[in-house]
Amino acid sequence: TQLLEQSPQFLSIQEGENLTVYCNSSSVFSSLQWYRQEPGEGPVLLVTVVTGGEVKKLKRLTFQFGDARKDSSLHITAAQPGDTGLYLCAGGNYGNNRLAFGKGNQVVVIP
Amino acid sequence: DSGVTQTPKHLITATGQRVTLRCSPRSGDLSVYWYQQSLDQGLQFLIQYYNGEERAKGNILERFSAQQFPDLHSELNLSSLELGDSALYFCASSPLWTGGTEAFFGQGTRLTVV
Repeated sequence: TQLLEQSPQFLSIQEGENLTVYCNSSSVFSSLQWYRQEPGEGPVLLVTVVTGGEVKKLKRLTFQFGDARKDSSLHITAAQPGDTGLYLCAGGNYGNNRLAFGKGNQVVVIP
Repeated sequence: DSGVTQTPKHLITATGQRVTLRCSPRSGDLSVYWYQQSLDQGLQFLIQYYNGEERAKGNILERFSAQQFPDLHSELNLSSLELGDSALYFCASSPLWTGGTEAFFGQGTRLTVV
């Protein structure tokens, strides 16, 4: 079983601050996805990274895939209350037919 | 809106009962995945179907079963329900070109067993 560990589990910050959350594994993945989930809703795909060292930006969110393709980080610049949610990382290997999910980083942005 | 439709959104039932959860994948997606989400376990992969055939099994109990129909909708059947089966159940579908590495989730069914 490929395990993904996310840290910190919970993070509360003030609006306008920056934050970084992490997703680590001992396994190599061919791709890694980040999802955001809000209460009562399904996870929504934010980004997929596939190349070691890859950096992708989505507005104020910056995603990085580790060089060894075992870990990833998500950095939010100038967080806003709308960024509040559970951020899930998921690792996949092409053709493996399943994603392995971490337990998530619960982010709360206080106005 | 992900394009994946799940019904019902909420379900309350008694221990020992049987329920059926329904999922319609995004238009054009042949793969359907079922996941269970609980507070302590996170999102756990249960089972995958591709174009009507079972493709992969995860941590799915023998009391649970699923199928995918010719119109590609899928049903997850949960029987002999126990209190511990209370959870969010998500269906996801995946485009073929991602090889299953990207998933688009429905809004889930919250199952409460009392």
